[in-house]
Amino acid sequence: QKEVEQNSGPLSVPEGAIASLNCTYSDRGSQSFFWYRQYSGKSPELIMFIYSNGDKEDGRFTAQLNKASQYVSLLIRDSQPSDSATYLCAVVTGANSKLTFGKGITLSVRP
Amino acid sequence: SQTIHQWPATLVQPVGSPLSLECTVEGTSNPNLYWYRQAAGRGLQLLFYSVGIGQISSEVPQNLSASRPQDRQFILSSKKLLLSDSGFYLCAWSVSGQGVGELFFGEGSRLTVL
Repeated sequence: QKEVEQNSGPLSVPEGAIASLNCTYSDRGSQSFFWYRQYSGKSPELIMFIYSNGDKEDGRFTAQLNKASQYVSLLIRDSQPSDSATYLCAVVTGANSKLTFGKGITLSVRP
Repeated sequence: SQTIHQWPATLVQPVGSPLSLECTVEGTSNPNLYWYRQAAGRGLQLLFYSVGIGQISSEVPQNLSASRPQDRQFILSSKKLLLSDSGFYLCAWSVSGQGVGELFFGEGSRLTVL
């Protein structure tokens, strides 16, 4: 089983819609969860992190964490074409606190 | 404010040639430094990380090496490149003593080995 798994997509949503990006992880002891955004040809940038069960909101972005079900998601409200990018889920796993990235999901927001 | 610079941005190298990628961080002291590789269709793979000058941890056995000659300088090298070394190489830093997940990436170096 892959340590951090994301549906590879691509995911296409119309402008103004809610985009829902999901990620599952295998290490039940994981404590820290991150979402990075990567535009085509560019480097990743951190957009959200979450440590506790529940929701964390930052502007149009909401991260949701459910440790019992071992998934973390990112919701993007009022999606804009500028949100079109690949979104990488990352989880700190293992006794040695290693950061493991998923392969990412590509989001396309249609004008 | 902190900035990270990485160069060269793009390079095309023949198989068997050497490699040197350099990364510098400004505006912070004693950062944790990382080299990642992103190959087509694969996720980000951690290659090396460093918590201080001369301290290098290797995550994946390969023909690459890393060095940290100064506090804010991180170098990725190879004596002989393989075709499989092609990819997008990313240098990153994080604040020492904080969690390993909050990374700040450089602009990346795209390497094509022919």
